[in-house]
Amino acid sequence: SQQGEEDPQALSIQEGENATMNCSYKTSINNLQWYRQNSGRGLVHLILIRSNEREKHSGRLRVTLDTSKKSSSLLITASRAADTASYFCALNSGGYQKVTFGTGTKLQVIP
Amino acid sequence: GAVVSQHPSRVICKSGTSVKIECRSLDFQATTMFWYRQFPKQSLMLMATSNEGSKATYEQGVEKDKFLINHASLTLSTLTVTSAHPEDSSFYICSARESSGGLPDTQYFGPGTRLTVL
Repeated sequence: SQQGEEDPQALSIQEGENATMNCSYKTSINNLQWYRQNSGRGLVHLILIRSNEREKHSGRLRVTLDTSKKSSSLLITASRAADTASYFCALNSGGYQKVTFGTGTKLQVIP
Repeated sequence: GAVVSQHPSRVICKSGTSVKIECRSLDFQATTMFWYRQFPKQSLMLMATSNEGSKATYEQGVEKDKFLINHASLTLSTLTVTSAHPEDSSFYICSARESSGGLPDTQYFGPGTRLTVL
């Protein structure tokens, strides 16, 4: 099963700035999901985008999907210190809703 | 929203002992649960898919006899790390998918269990 590659691996920004992280993959997908993980904690589901969708919004989050380039991006606008966490993309390519996680981006938002 | 719990949240054990981790869906039924392992500063790696009433499906490279999975009911899956060794020390996370209703394709994750084997 494929694993998504995320970049950057780490990102440090000032509060109020926007944060963009990218996820690239190699084979076709059914959907792509983004999760957040605070240090030492479980994962929180942020947003799911299906292969036939190009863009989705949820609050300050904007996700895009380009299946021709096999890439997705997560944009967090007007970042807050509480957004500090690791962000993972997760690819669903097969049955039983099995997903494989990307390498993750560690975001630090400086107050 | 759907809640998944794990117990214990943290466990320290001696090498050679077995450790059982429980994963429960608190307010929904889950025919399918997933077990992941996460090493420090790394991503989550799927270990196995747990199916209620049947044998688990293990990912390549995961030892079935070492990581025993039991999914005896629609709300409970257990992972037993048998004869644990220090290299098994990791963060174990489960997730569950709602059997019916709810958001399709969405997994709900437990808070994780930190296993330290001395």
